Amino acid sequence: KAGVTQTPRYLIKTRGQQVTLSCSPISGHRSVSWYQQTPGQGLQFLFEYFSETQRNKGNFPGRFSGRQFSNSRSEMNVSTLELGDSALYLCASSLGGRDGTQYFGPGTRLTVL
Amino acid sequence: GENVEQHPSTLSVQEGDSAVIKCTYSDSASNYFPWYKQELGKRPQLIIDIRSNVGEKKDQRIAVTLNKTAKHFSLHITETQPEDSAVYFCAANTGNQFYFGTGTSLTVIP
Repeated sequence: KAGVTQTPRYLIKTRGQQVTLSCSPISGHRSVSWYQQTPGQGLQFLFEYFSETQRNKGNFPGRFSGRQFSNSRSEMNVSTLELGDSALYLCASSLGGRDGTQYFGPGTRLTVL
Repeated sequence: GENVEQHPSTLSVQEGDSAVIKCTYSDSASNYFPWYKQELGKRPQLIIDIRSNVGEKKDQRIAVTLNKTAKHFSLHITETQPEDSAVYFCAANTGNQFYFGTGTSLTVIP
């Protein structure tokens, strides 16, 4: 099976802009979770989608949003970008059980100037 | 919510020695504990996991132990090799979401 894929792999934006990241899960996986990875904070949970519904949400401001499509592909949107949003954004997919094994994508490296 | 602490943050060992990374968690509802290895510029890769009904699990040179009473779990790597050099993350799942430790940068010195 193909692994989790993410596009684009790299992005450079300026403050105030918005950005959309995409994640395609492993075939058959219905859950997609998003994480922000920074050197100082490690992996921080953003949100999880299951069957097109947000099932869980971390402690991030409303500028961070997401959605999931019927084919389980997911997008994450960040509006009004801030310098502090520069990070590696990882998505992970799983079959869907709440404690199911997660498999990560390669990430999107976002740089905000 | 859950709080996962991971120690040490950096670890250097000689090739062939053992490496141990420890994590503690706070929520007794946590029931699934995976470990991920992340090489520089690559995605985190699951290397081993353990569920709360098991005390120990081993896979070749890698083992994980879980002490539910003390709320801690550890990763053990024996006979370390240079290719084991990476950042290792522990995680705990409460049934709602995963909480990750802040990572351990392991360097295996040839």
